[in-house]
Amino acid sequence: SAVISQKPSRDICQRGTSLTIQCQVDSQVTMMFWYRQQPGQSLTLIATANQGSEATYESGFVIDKFPISRPNLTFSTLTVSNMSPEDSSIYLCSVEDLQGHPYTDTQYFGPGTRLTVL
Amino acid sequence: AQKITQTQPGMFVQEKEAVTLDCTYDTSDQSYGLFWYKQPSSGEMIFLIYQGSYDEQNATEGRYSLNFQKARKSANLVISASQLGDSAMYFCAMREGRNNAGNMLTFGGGTRLMVKP
Repeated sequence: SAVISQKPSRDICQRGTSLTIQCQVDSQVTMMFWYRQQPGQSLTLIATANQGSEATYESGFVIDKFPISRPNLTFSTLTVSNMSPEDSSIYLCSVEDLQGHPYTDTQYFGPGTRLTVL
Repeated sequence: AQKITQTQPGMFVQEKEAVTLDCTYDTSDQSYGLFWYKQPSSGEMIFLIYQGSYDEQNATEGRYSLNFQKARKSANLVISASQLGDSAMYFCAMREGRNNAGNMLTFGGGTRLMVKP
């Protein structure tokens, strides 16, 4: 199966600053997704990122707060802007439609970025 | 209404015994997919098993099997011969829609499984 990596793995940031999280896949994928997991909670989809088009955001998430880039089929970034303590979460990217993998409709997740905002 | 319900916030199981984690779902779509993920304390989400709504056989992957009861809209995960390393959060998720691929996953609240030595 494909290898998905995220950078940074964790960070501690000051309120009002921004952090960009990178997601790298070692094979080309069509769909990439960004999820947020607040402490003790389940996962919530932030947005879907397709190469060559604007990201599609879920209700409650806006581009100004969570700008996303998808410059090619193996890479995406999520920025958490003007952070507040409420943004402290694990942020996970996931990918789908892995070429050559038997479970072509399964979503696989990166290792996550654990963000703490002070 | 909740689309995915996991009624067991926490469970204990004795090492080497089997355990069933419950998951019920709500959808009006005929075509959907059901997933189970494991999340250890490190935070990564590990894919365990997938069941398509049209799959006639229950999915199995090693020690994991999915007890799929379509009429009851349940997709329980069965872990056989529990190991200490199975201690983690377990999430049930569903993807709806005619074209399963490319649609978002909706997650349940999770079940924390603790394996006792």
